[in-house]
Amino acid sequence: QVQLVQSGAEVKKPGASVRVSCKASGYTFTTYLMHWVRQAPGQGLEWMGIINPGGGSTNYAQKFQGRVTMTRDTSTSTVYLELSRLRSEDTAVYYCAREGPTGEPADYWGQGTLVTVSS
Amino acid sequence: DIQMTQSPSSLSASVGDRVTITCRASQGISNYLAWFQQKPGKAPKSLIYAASSLQTGVPSKFSGSGSGTDFTLTISSLQPEDFATYYCQQYNSYPLTFGGGTKVEIK
Repeated sequence: QVQLVQSGAEVKKPGASVRVSCKASGYTFTTYLMHWVRQAPGQGLEWMGIINPGGGSTNYAQKFQGRVTMTRDTSTSTVYLELSRLRSEDTAVYYCAREGPTGEPADYWGQGTLVTVSS
Repeated sequence: DIQMTQSPSSLSASVGDRVTITCRASQGISNYLAWFQQKPGKAPKSLIYAASSLQTGVPSKFSGSGSGTDFTLTISSLQPEDFATYYCQQYNSYPLTFGGGTKVEIK
């Protein structure tokens, strides 16, 4: 069965960087695109960007351009989200979510990773 | 960017009620519209894609309709496990955008 397992919670200081991982299993990793979505405490969902695990191409939301990097490691079926120059407003739960076979977004989601930015 | 506006932002309903949530896009998105359900402390769950296609394993009490700019999610008979927050998302063009959410609470 499809599973997306994310890395554990992180606490970072303002200005630092964080890397969150998402390990996929139960399907052919390189066949399906992967989204990253975040949710600040008590707030709605915010799309950050997408990566093609097959070729590594990415598309980032303009809001995060210059601060976000999405990469993948096909040998371990893992995608990574790195966010730099963290500020308190980046405190959120970060989710990876697989794009579905017919192009629908997010048929499967990771469990989420809480990133707390605090001095 | 395409703006997605959901209404209402919250509603109170009783078990057995029929509930309808609407989602409006700021420009036409054909049928590239998905609906998600989220319970507190959990990841969202995909319910519907392509405006009206039920995701595998989702009960048929959920249905979606619409095309262009106006969409609806209907729960035919609300059950205790359906109390949650619901989000629409357009995937017609990048950046993908979500509606603000509709919290369905128990009356």
